[in-house]
Amino acid sequence: NAGVTQTPKFQVLKTGQSMTLQCAQDMNHNSMYWYRQDPGMGLRLIYYSASEGTTDKGEVPNGYNVSRLNKREFSLRLESAAPSQTSVYFCASSDQGASTEAFFGQGTRLTVV
Amino acid sequence: GENVEQHPSTLSVQEGDSAVIKCTYSDSASNYFPWYKQELGKRPQLIIDIRSNVGEKKDQRIAVTLNKTAKHFSLHITETQPEDSAVYFCASRGGFKTIFGAGTRLFVKA
Repeated sequence: NAGVTQTPKFQVLKTGQSMTLQCAQDMNHNSMYWYRQDPGMGLRLIYYSASEGTTDKGEVPNGYNVSRLNKREFSLRLESAAPSQTSVYFCASSDQGASTEAFFGQGTRLTVV
Repeated sequence: GENVEQHPSTLSVQEGDSAVIKCTYSDSASNYFPWYKQELGKRPQLIIDIRSNVGEKKDQRIAVTLNKTAKHFSLHITETQPEDSAVYFCASRGGFKTIFGAGTRLFVKA
């Protein structure tokens, strides 16, 4: 039982390049999330998917797109990377309902130069 | 939009002392308040949570209190130990969105 798995763990991009961060969970959770973590700013929600087939914007969606491929997988795409997107990205999942714990992946450290 | 304010941003205590971290939330619809601990280079992990129908919850050396009227909730760690040193995040959740505070870096000096 791996929980939430993210790939890759590290990535360096040049400005303007595109890439997709992958996330998969094996806990049969309905809801999945993408956060970015910057020093002194905590975890900010980029996009979330309450259930398979739905996605919604979070606090900081600009410059990102997401795809809920199936119940297990939720990917985050940067179409044209910018230095401001240098951050640590965390994927998380939780069961349905308003008061359940979120489980996090191990994070992806992305640097845009 | 919804936000969560967390104070202090840094907290240094002596081993054995207590540590208190306070948060304020803005979304009246929030009904779930988790606290996460994040060690350096690792993922956030849940340490305790409280739901809106409960005012206080305790788990060994950790306790959380909630005042829904004032939209305040707090984390209390008693008898702190060096391994408690980490970044702690409060969060509030209404519906499917969990909004996090900016974090508190706790240092426990031996």
